[in-house]
Amino acid sequence: DAGITQSPRHKVTETGTPVTLRCHQTENHRYMYWYRQDPGHGLRLIHYSYGVKDTDKGEVSDGYSVSRSKTEDFLLTLESATSSQTSVYFCAISEYGQPQHFGDGTRLSIL
Amino acid sequence: QKEVEQDPGPLSVPEGAIVSLNCTYSNSAFQYFMWYRQYSRKGPELLMYTYSSGNKEDGRFTAQVDKSSKYISLFIRDSQPSDSATYLCAMSANSGYSTLTFGKGTMLLVSP
Repeated sequence: DAGITQSPRHKVTETGTPVTLRCHQTENHRYMYWYRQDPGHGLRLIHYSYGVKDTDKGEVSDGYSVSRSKTEDFLLTLESATSSQTSVYFCAISEYGQPQHFGDGTRLSIL
Repeated sequence: QKEVEQDPGPLSVPEGAIVSLNCTYSNSAFQYFMWYRQYSRKGPELLMYTYSSGNKEDGRFTAQVDKSSKYISLFIRDSQPSDSATYLCAMSANSGYSTLTFGKGTMLLVSP
């Protein structure tokens, strides 16, 4: 495994509540990414980070925010969760010029 | 037209068969190509990555890129039941790999 830990692995919550997912890496890689995976859509990039405090939006960033205060941690926050954000969320890491490696995901259900 | 097209399957084969998985793409700027394997309830696992056109072999796996046709393939020789998974192609236009475009994945089932 690429030294990526996602937490929690499963979460059930209610519409309108805030949710934070954490990605922790032990590889000291510069780049970190958040994806969501949904049937019929595949993997879609939400946000990514290219360094501490440096982040940018991906394809499906609306309703999500991210923060990276340390190299090893990348947080994804749903400020007010909606049912359309029910999904499996994957974190990935990479170093410049190298392909991405993925964590095992967080299954998030919003009721 | 979607940027990356991949037949969702499922593709069912007997153990020992040669498997061919394919993706087509429309963006001629893509230069870096990857194949990931994803088991149920797990994250994608990098299998192969290649630059530009040509073949790359790793054990039972061969990745092939034909940029003129905008077509990439993954061949699996002597397929095993443990190869049963979803295979995702991914590609990037830049060397940093910072943004990947994924296919939706092909489910492969290898029966004993």
